[in-house]
Amino acid sequence: ETGVTQTPRHLVMGMTNKKSLKCEQHLGHNAMYWYKQSAKKPLELMFVYNFKEQTENNSVPSRFSPECPNSSHLFLHLHTLQPEDSALYLCASSQLTGRTDTQYFGPGTRLTVL
Amino acid sequence: RKEVEQDPGPFNVPEGATVAFNCTYSNSASQSFFWYRQDCRKEPKLLMSVYSSGNEDGRFTAQLNRASQYISLLIRDSKLSDSATYLCVVTLNDYKLSFGAGTTVTVRA
Repeated sequence: ETGVTQTPRHLVMGMTNKKSLKCEQHLGHNAMYWYKQSAKKPLELMFVYNFKEQTENNSVPSRFSPECPNSSHLFLHLHTLQPEDSALYLCASSQLTGRTDTQYFGPGTRLTVL
Repeated sequence: RKEVEQDPGPFNVPEGATVAFNCTYSNSASQSFFWYRQDCRKEPKLLMSVYSSGNEDGRFTAQLNRASQYISLLIRDSKLSDSATYLCVVTLNDYKLSFGAGTTVTVRA
């Protein structure tokens, strides 16, 4: 039973749509992350939040907009996406952003942009 | 050069066999190393951390070679349930993590 949940699990959207991905962690962690996983490619770290503050933005296009209202919830707002944005979007959490902290991943949202 | 490189495989091995594979990293200042396991269409899960002195967890042994900048994972007595993609993770600092693309292992009966 995962302590990190993500909704929706699957999402199909057009390039002009606006949608949001939601992540919730039930582990009492203080750090949350968004990753993108494309087929046959490494996970790409997109955003890091530590105690609700964004501490990392890995040159992610502005069509991806994160929001972290509290330590348990993380959103990824999507607008005017491109077909190449189709991928698995994984949320993760850890106790802290310490480099030795284990990251716990959610099941992911499989996004298809038409 | 990619920050973290892995042989994608697949490594097809019979049950009971030993399989080993490496992961190379480009930044000599890398500080922490991990192996994660990802089953098909599932999320990654931590398999084990990799310590400088090497470490073992049951049938799994991880080694770190800082001089040559690689880590390795060895699986002894392979089980069908070991079939998965194994992701190498290297951290540079508290916020910078790099994942390899993964090595796929398939254990056959």
